[in-house]
Amino acid sequence: EVQVLESGGGLVRPGGSLRLSCAVSGFAFDSHAINWVRQAPGKGLEWVSLIRIDSITYYADSVKGRFTISRDSSKNTVYLQMNNLRVEDTAFYYCARDQSRYGEEALDYWGLGTLVTVSS
Amino acid sequence: QSTVSQPPSASGTPGQRVSISCSGDSSNIGDNYVYWYQQLPGTAPKLLIYKNNQRPSGVPDRFSGSKSGTSASLAISGLRSEDEGDYYCVTRVNTLYGLRFGGGTKLTVL
Repeated sequence: EVQVLESGGGLVRPGGSLRLSCAVSGFAFDSHAINWVRQAPGKGLEWVSLIRIDSITYYADSVKGRFTISRDSSKNTVYLQMNNLRVEDTAFYYCARDQSRYGEEALDYWGLGTLVTVSS
Repeated sequence: QSTVSQPPSASGTPGQRVSISCSGDSSNIGDNYVYWYQQLPGTAPKLLIYKNNQRPSGVPDRFSGSKSGTSASLAISGLRSEDEGDYYCVTRVNTLYGLRFGGGTKLTVL
């Protein structure tokens, strides 16, 4: 059974940092790209970042230069390092498996999300 | 800015057929696959349709997707109260990586 589990959310001050983790199981980790998608409270979904199986990464313009995605095959885990956080980064952050190796297909398995709150 | 647009709301009565539209342009929907996600209240999004009209295993055939030119639509037949939630169309944008989400449509079952 495919499982996706996010962790690491919490309350942080503007300008602060947080690292989210996405632990996956039930499938070949090295055969799938992984995405982060976020949702501000009461708002729609926004794609944040993608890491391919070759560790090439992509970011939404809104987080480029502040967020870094990485993956650790030994732990079947993807990380999202978030620096210089802003109030507008407040959202539920979902981790989702891509059907493909290179981030070209649908996101077919999602975690339950972890809440990041940026507030003074 | 390449945008994907959906109506903010839709509604129907139990048993009815409802359609949700998604509009884009040649740089997004016109040249890429469309995906549809369902998000029930308080839950994570769930893949409903991929590659314009394909259903993952486990998704009832009451849900169907179509695409024509720069527009796409999701149809739900035999509407049920448990279908109430938010529906998002998603696609890609040429020359850019990542996904572009529509604003979402809130479906109400009257």
